[in-house]
Amino acid sequence: EIVMTQSPATLSVSPGERATLSCRASQSINNNLAWYQQKPGQGPRLLMSSASTRATGTPARFSGSGYGTEFTLTISSLQSEDFVVFYCQQFNNWPPTFGQGTKVEIK
Amino acid sequence: QVQLQESGPGLVKPSETLSLTCSVSGGSINGHYWSWIRQPPGKGLEWIGYVYYTGRTDYNPSLKSRVTISMDTSKNQFSLRLSSITAADTAVYYCARGSPTPDSWGQGTLVTISS
Repeated sequence: EIVMTQSPATLSVSPGERATLSCRASQSINNNLAWYQQKPGQGPRLLMSSASTRATGTPARFSGSGYGTEFTLTISSLQSEDFVVFYCQQFNNWPPTFGQGTKVEIK
Repeated sequence: QVQLQESGPGLVKPSETLSLTCSVSGGSINGHYWSWIRQPPGKGLEWIGYVYYTGRTDYNPSLKSRVTISMDTSKNQFSLRLSSITAADTAVYYCARGSPTPDSWGQGTLVTISS
């Protein structure tokens, strides 16, 4: 199974600043990568699919990039609701697998 | 807007079978994939499997021998059964619409395995 590694585990950023989250796959997954946002006590919410395609309702401040094994989620200007946990997921191979998550906290 | 709600026992004994149901409201179960994903306390997400509205299923190979996912279209529900459970199966279990990138998730239900 493909192992997804996210970095950093915790990211400290001030509101209004830019945040860059990384995700690496143990082998090439083409662009078959999704990003999710998870708020405390809730199920994850799909933010991005196919590495760079925003899901319905995802604000424009979120952008995704990457191909192969290296991927990035960028939040251009952090809002209060963005200080939560983000997961990447590959769906190139079965079973789909997730990274361990990056927690974005207020600096 | 579709809503999903997991239900089932919060405490199950080791070696028994875990059974959960996901009730779907605000939309039909037909025409979609329906998935189960779990998250052990303090850990990441693990895909369990899915059922398509035709009845086709696929499971995570690591759990395949113990998992059954089924659906009841008359009740607009789908279900998870996980047999021979151990403490390692303690987790928040989520049901979700879609595979492999679910676009709607339930809030999750914590299932603790303990005698």
